[in-house]
Amino acid sequence: QKEVEQNSGPLSVPEGAIASLNCTYSDRGSQSFFWYRQYSGKSPELIMFIYSNGDKEDGRFTAQLNKASQYVSLLIRDSQPSDSATYLCAVRTIFGKGTKLSVKP
Amino acid sequence: DAGVIQSPRHEVTEMGQEVTLRCKPISGHNSLFWYRQTMMRGLELLIYFNNNVPIDDSGMPEDRFSAKMPNASFSTLKIQPSEPRDSAVYFCASSPQGQGSNSPLHFGNGTRLTVT
Repeated sequence: QKEVEQNSGPLSVPEGAIASLNCTYSDRGSQSFFWYRQYSGKSPELIMFIYSNGDKEDGRFTAQLNKASQYVSLLIRDSQPSDSATYLCAVRTIFGKGTKLSVKP
Repeated sequence: DAGVIQSPRHEVTEMGQEVTLRCKPISGHNSLFWYRQTMMRGLELLIYFNNNVPIDDSGMPEDRFSAKMPNASFSTLKIQPSEPRDSAVYFCASSPQGQGSNSPLHFGNGTRLTVT
């Protein structure tokens, strides 16, 4: 059974801080990793994807992948109240339950 | 460019009734996925089609659930008979490549199903 685990939160950070979201997965042969954002009552939308070990940066977002340790993380720099949402980690088509992030003004 | 289109947006039905959810994937995408989302279980993959053929239906909870994809632009998820525990948000997603590829998923707006 392929599993993706996330801390459900809620994770609360002040505006302007760095939010760190973590995810572990069970299938050591996994090749593609995604972070989706889901606002309340909306559908998931892709934020970032990462396929290789190391860091990948896109604006305020950085995804980090460590295949040896089977974890992937997402850093959000200069967090804004508009970043408040549930963040879903996905290993291809298998999703974690999500971490709810709250950014306080 | 139209995204994934699902209908209806909301469905309220009584226990025992048949429910049919519909999905139109993005044109050119050859993979289609049906998910169910609840607070308790998160986003669960129910079934996956590639080129209109069901590839993996191991996530379908029981025989009351069935899915079809008669052509590249249309899929249905049917629940018969429906039960209160089927209440959830059902998402359809499409992707230009198969489950083993690196392509992300594009989600529809979902159907919120309530079974009373």
